[in-house]
Amino acid sequence: DAGITQSPRHKVTETGTPVTLRCHQTENHRYMYWYRQDPGHGLRLIHYSYGVKDTDKGEVSDGYSVSRSKTEDFLLTLESATSSQTSVYFCAISEFGGRGETQYFGPGTRLLVL
Amino acid sequence: SQQGEEDPQALSIQEGENATMNCSYKTSINNLQWYRQNSGRGLVHLILIRSNEREKHSGRLRVTLDTSKKSSSLLITASRAADTASYFCATDGSGGSNYKLTFGKGTLLTVNP
Repeated sequence: DAGITQSPRHKVTETGTPVTLRCHQTENHRYMYWYRQDPGHGLRLIHYSYGVKDTDKGEVSDGYSVSRSKTEDFLLTLESATSSQTSVYFCAISEFGGRGETQYFGPGTRLLVL
Repeated sequence: SQQGEEDPQALSIQEGENATMNCSYKTSINNLQWYRQNSGRGLVHLILIRSNEREKHSGRLRVTLDTSKKSSSLLITASRAADTASYFCATDGSGGSNYKLTFGKGTLLTVNP
């Protein structure tokens, strides 16, 4: 999985609690992305980062925040988890974020919100 | 909103047969990529085709693109059990959002030994 790790790999939490997922890369790529994958929806972009401290919203950003204080780490926080945020979360990276660039994906984090 | 829509949603074939998956999209694109996802794993890039290309090959993969119909197809020839996976198309638009890929919902391919 191209030098990308995600932690934790599995998490069960309760509604209303904050949750932070971590993505770590060793490729020194500039762009990092958080997606969620749900049956019937495919992958949807939550947030992305185009550099340290530079982030922007994706298609389904409500209820999520992100931070990137170092090139290698991109954190996704669910400020107050809801059952609708039960999903598989994938981090991805790309070197320059340009058109036609390959994105490399991490192994995913399965999150269950009870 | 989803840009790409794969068809069929699921496909089951025998080993050695060819598998064809289709992707339709709604707006103009610069590039279209195909990714593969094995069960419980992240996506892996397979092949990219640019908007000015009509066909591309990579090993047992053949991708076509018809921009007039806003559609692409992925053909896997001589399939193997190890090809069992979900396959997704992803597009990047011709507008300003060149850093965003929009993924379809995927086709689940099962290759029976």
